[in-house]
Amino acid sequence: GENVEQHPSTLSVQEGDSAVIKCTYSDSASNYFPWYKQELGKRPQLIIDIRSNVGEKKDQRIAVTLNKTAKHFSLHITETQPEDSAVYFCAASKGGSSYKLIFGSGTRLLVRP
Amino acid sequence: NAGVTQTPKFRILKIGQSMTLQCTQDMNHNYMYWYRQDPGMGLKLIYYSVGAGITDKGEVPNGYNVSRSTTEDFPLRLELAAPSQTSVYFCASSYGTGKSNQPQHFGDGTRLSIL
Repeated sequence: GENVEQHPSTLSVQEGDSAVIKCTYSDSASNYFPWYKQELGKRPQLIIDIRSNVGEKKDQRIAVTLNKTAKHFSLHITETQPEDSAVYFCAASKGGSSYKLIFGSGTRLLVRP
Repeated sequence: NAGVTQTPKFRILKIGQSMTLQCTQDMNHNYMYWYRQDPGMGLKLIYYSVGAGITDKGEVPNGYNVSRSTTEDFPLRLELAAPSQTSVYFCASSYGTGKSNQPQHFGDGTRLSIL
């Protein structure tokens, strides 16, 4: 079945610097890749997603890139702020009849003021 | 529009007890999902449903059961609680078109401890 690996498990950056989180997936049929942000004790919240027919997508300070050949996708956060501190999860889905998401293990991002 | 609502928020069970985690959504989503999240880990899919009357197993279904009698509700049942089921349980829903993925919306979770 599908497997999603996420790196790094923890990431500490200085406020204003950029942060990059990378994920690889195993099933070449996967075609939907969302990223979720989870603050401590809260629900996962979708921050950006990308479909396999697109190589890059941006939303203000957040961007996601997808390399289908290499089967990896990355989250880029620019000009990081303390409120960006959270756990970030990538996920992959190949659609079909269920749209099941397979999640990575998460990256704990700490933005130091 | 409340979105996805889960009850209870917290629960402590004794080993061998049973309980039902409730999940309801008011977005008219046809797809619903149950995940568990162990401390410091990602989310694992337990069961999912693509519509009323249809359910299927996810990655970690053992020890759980589900039903989907209405579009709105998707309860998760634990029959014989075991310490390994101590976790945070999230319910999610999405609108499935059969053509493309749509974002999943999550509830606030149920924190369950089995002692």
